[in-house]
Amino acid sequence: NAGVTQTPKFRILKIGQSMTLQCTQDMNHNYMYWYRQDPGMGLKLIYYSVGAGITDKGEVPNGYNVSRSTTEDFPLRLELAAPSQTSVYFCASSYSLAGGPYEQYFGPGTRLTVT
Amino acid sequence: EDKVVQSPLSLVVHEGDTVTLNCSYEVTNFRSLLWYKQEKKAPTFLFMLTSSGIEKKSGRLSSILDKKELFSILNITATQTGDSAIYLCAVAQGGSEKLVFGKGTKLTVNP
Repeated sequence: NAGVTQTPKFRILKIGQSMTLQCTQDMNHNYMYWYRQDPGMGLKLIYYSVGAGITDKGEVPNGYNVSRSTTEDFPLRLELAAPSQTSVYFCASSYSLAGGPYEQYFGPGTRLTVT
Repeated sequence: EDKVVQSPLSLVVHEGDTVTLNCSYEVTNFRSLLWYKQEKKAPTFLFMLTSSGIEKKSGRLSSILDKKELFSILNITATQTGDSAIYLCAVAQGGSEKLVFGKGTKLTVNP
């Protein structure tokens, strides 16, 4: 199993450009998440999904969009990049049994700089 | 508002020292507490605790949860330079698909 994979690893965007961060998991997890991590700030949840076709906002969704057409893929879209979106982005997935999701497995991250 | 607070925010020790990292929480409908280790890249899972007073161990790392006082500690004995990392604490809530993360403790172990 590759686990959770993310592309690209690094990206530099100009203000106003758009891009999609890709996330794929091969563990057949139904739950998937997008986080951003700023220095000294821990992980902040952007969007999450509990299954194909179902997405919901997290703590900091503004400026981002997601879709979940398959169990495996959960892309994150930035439409009009702003310097405030400079961060490291992590995708994660988890399985769920009765009582809710269990530990989350993280991808290697995408380091995004907006200038 | 649900919150998870970790202390200290950073810690510098020498190889061989023992360290204790703290995580306190105030969340509704607590279900479990998780510890992660983050080196240069993605967080990796260490422990999940659901019951009070039961210690989880993995080599030199151990953790315990106190559900009455709403905190957990992560102990690392005989620290090594490879233990240098950010340690994240997160809480899962019943009925929620999300984790609430603390800001992390940055541990530096010097040779």
